[in-house]
Order: sequence, then structure tokens, then C-alpha cells
Amino acid sequence: DAGVIQSPRHEVTEMGQEVTLRCKPISGHNSLFWYRQTMMRGLELLIYFNNNVPIDDSGMPEDRFSAKMPNASFSTLKIQPSEPRDSAVYFCASGGRDGLVRSTDTQYFGPGTRLTVL
Amino acid sequence: RKEVEQDPGPFNVPEGATVAFNCTYSNSASQSFFWYRQDCRKEPKLLMSVYSSGNEDGRFTAQLNRASQYISLLIRDSKLSDSATYLCVVKGTGRRALTFGSGTRLQVQP
Repeated sequence: DAGVIQSPRHEVTEMGQEVTLRCKPISGHNSLFWYRQTMMRGLELLIYFNNNVPIDDSGMPEDRFSAKMPNASFSTLKIQPSEPRDSAVYFCASGGRDGLVRSTDTQYFGPGTRLTVL
Repeated sequence: RKEVEQDPGPFNVPEGATVAFNCTYSNSASQSFFWYRQDCRKEPKLLMSVYSSGNEDGRFTAQLNRASQYISLLIRDSKLSDSATYLCVVKGTGRRALTFGSGTRLQVQP
């Protein structure tokens, strides 16, 4: 299995530009999570989807952030316009059944996208 | 009060030592508990789940104390390769997904 795939792995952009992060979850998983990690704030859940439907977006910082999951194998996180304080590592994770564990309990993380906004 | 609290460390221990981390959680209705491991500049990976009866996986032992609302991770005979950040993770009730602690950094020294 390829695991969770994220692209790009690194993104450097200027303030005000639009940034789109992409994620392909593990095939067969029905939950997908977007996280942001910084030294100051640690790992923060931004939003998660179950069966392509957003369940909890309370972690999305503000209207500049939006996430979509048009189908079970693809999700995007968009920041428009980007700001320097958005600089962080953005992880996508997917959740699936693992033995007796329920679908949202075990999460498998992608390698992350390291975003730098200048 | 944070939902999940951990001592950030770092814990600096010599090879072969036994080290223990604790983590406290605020929601008494929390249902599931985990330890994840994160290496520097890498993604978090599941280390082990934590069951009410406690569980062991090789050199690693995890325990849950619901009365005091904390979970622990014990690493015996620590190896250089155990150096990482260990994240305590709690699943709450309802639609809440997992809540991650800020992590405890372990540095095993030769």
C-alpha cells in the first residue's frame, strides 16, 4: 500500500498568494483529517471528513482556509490569501479499520507539506 | 486547561535506562487513548493503543488510569533509536476526532 500521499512536499510562496495542498488517502479509508503543526502550537486539527462529508471544521482558523473532498480518493486544503503566520507543516491523515479499531480511531499520516509564506 | 497535557521535556537518558512519560486529559468521558511517535521532521506514527487493562509491546508498556485521568508510557532498556517525540492522543465523545498533546521529547544518549 502506498500510504497517504501529499503534494507538494515543500511550498514557498509570497504573502497574498493562493496555496493549494493536496492529499490522497489510503484506499478504503473513509475518514480524512487535515492538521497543521508548528513549534508554538503543536499539532492542531483543522478539519476532518467522514465519507467525504465535513464533520468538524471548528479548527479551521478563518475564512481564508477552505477544504474540500470531492471523492473518496482526493482532498484539498486551500489558503487564500496566504499570510506569513500560515507557515507550518500541514499533515493529511486518513483513518480506516484496523482490526477491531473503529474507523476514526487509528490515523495514518502522510509525510506533510512544509509551507513557507514570505 | 488544555484537553491533553504533556511535559515537553526533553528527557535525556542514557542507553539502557528506563524512562516513563505521563499525560493527563481533561475530559472524563474520553473513550480511546493512544501513543504516537514522531521523529524529527517526519509524520506522527501510531506507537500503541492504550487499553484499560494496560498493554505491553516489547519494551513499551502503556497504562491508563481513568480515576486520575492520565495515561503513561514506559520504555525499558531504551535504545538510541527511541529518540523521538512521543505524542499522547485522546479521543473524546461524539463527533470529536483525536486530540493530540504537544508531545514529550526523548533523547537517548550513548
